[in-house]
Amino acid sequence: AQSVTQLDSQVPVFEEAPVELRCNYSSSVSVYLFWYVQYPNQGLQLLLKYLSGSTLVESINGFEAEFNKSQTSFHLRKPSVHISDTAEYFCAVSLSNTGKLIFGQGTTLQVKP
Amino acid sequence: DTAVSQTPKYLVTQMGNDKSIKCEQNLGHDTMYWYKQDSKKFLKIMFSYNNKELIINETVPNRFSPKSPDKAHLNLHINSLELGDSAVYFCASSQDGGNYGYTFGSGTRLTVV
Repeated sequence: AQSVTQLDSQVPVFEEAPVELRCNYSSSVSVYLFWYVQYPNQGLQLLLKYLSGSTLVESINGFEAEFNKSQTSFHLRKPSVHISDTAEYFCAVSLSNTGKLIFGQGTTLQVKP
Repeated sequence: DTAVSQTPKYLVTQMGNDKSIKCEQNLGHDTMYWYKQDSKKFLKIMFSYNNKELIINETVPNRFSPKSPDKAHLNLHINSLELGDSAVYFCASSQDGGNYGYTFGSGTRLTVV
């Protein structure tokens, strides 16, 4: 069965520090990989995705994630976080044969001044 | 213009009542979904419709019944509401079977008292 594991439930970090949110997945079929962000009391917004090609993908607000097939990981990173990055971050996989989106448990990123 | 809109945003009701949540998307997508987010923020797929046809039906009590009158609308009707149904329900839509990501609505917070 396919699954997604986010290794940290909460990540506290000071403003302007770097951050990494970890995500591992397991699947017997090829997958597409996503990171979604959920700000308080809002819906989920797509942050970035890996479908094929370059294993390093970037978002418009400075986040990046790298697909590592051998380690079945898709960790999210940002070199310098802002207070406004405080949110819940979800890693997800879409099974290439069904399109069904399976989410990890979420990681709360708390950026402190 | 809102891409995926849900109504109502908040719903407070008593146990045993029947309620409906409505969802509409104006993106021209062919597939729509209902997800449930519990108090621990875990997201689980409930149903998926493709062009009005039910394609994903996870293990959900039969008190929950989705209805899709056309491919732009997917409603969720819940009979005999229970305390455990309290959650945030998200509607989403996608194109090409969801392999390229979903667009989510802002959610409906259901509280059963």
